[in-house]
Amino acid sequence: AQSVTQPDIHITVSEGASLELRCNYSYGATPYLFWYVQSPGQGLQLLLKYFSGDTLVQGIKGFEAEFKRSQSSFNLRKPSVHWSDAAEYFCAAGGSYIPTFGRGTSLIVHP
Amino acid sequence: DAGVIQSPRHEVTEMGQEVTLRCKPISGHNSLFWYRQTMMRGLELLIYFNNNVPIDDSGMPEDRFSAKMPNASFSTLKIQPSEPRDSAVYFCASRTGLAGGSGELFFGEGSRLTVL
Repeated sequence: AQSVTQPDIHITVSEGASLELRCNYSYGATPYLFWYVQSPGQGLQLLLKYFSGDTLVQGIKGFEAEFKRSQSSFNLRKPSVHWSDAAEYFCAAGGSYIPTFGRGTSLIVHP
Repeated sequence: DAGVIQSPRHEVTEMGQEVTLRCKPISGHNSLFWYRQTMMRGLELLIYFNNNVPIDDSGMPEDRFSAKMPNASFSTLKIQPSEPRDSAVYFCASRTGLAGGSGELFFGEGSRLTVL
């Protein structure tokens, strides 16, 4: 069965520092991969997605993610975090009609 | 363009009462998902509709939960009778079915349910 693992429940960074959120997937083939962000009291919003081609994907709000087939990973990165980036981040894998979501990583940003 | 619209945004009810949550998907989207989010269990898929037909309801907790999609622009999730353990945020999401698994989901802002 397909699965998505986000090993970090919480990540704390200082404003201006770089960020990497980890995501690993287990899938029979290369799935479609997504990162969503959820701000407090809001629904999930797509940050970026990977289907094929260039393994480095650019998204909104200055985020990027890199697909590494050999590591079954799709980690999310941002070079300089802003206080407004504090939110819950979800990695998801598609390919069948029902996407599989990870448990989420809560990002805390210190001033 | 309006996004996915959910109502009510907040619902407080007493145990045993019936609760109905509503969702209007994005026009033109023919896949609809209901999710439940709690601290303990994260984001759980309850049911998935395609072209108004329930395709996968294996996530529906028990017979107290039911979902309908009478037309392409409206869906309901009903809990009867409600219990305190049903307290959660319920999300509706839609997607264009043409994209299959490659399409992104568009989420509503959620309905926060509290059952006392």
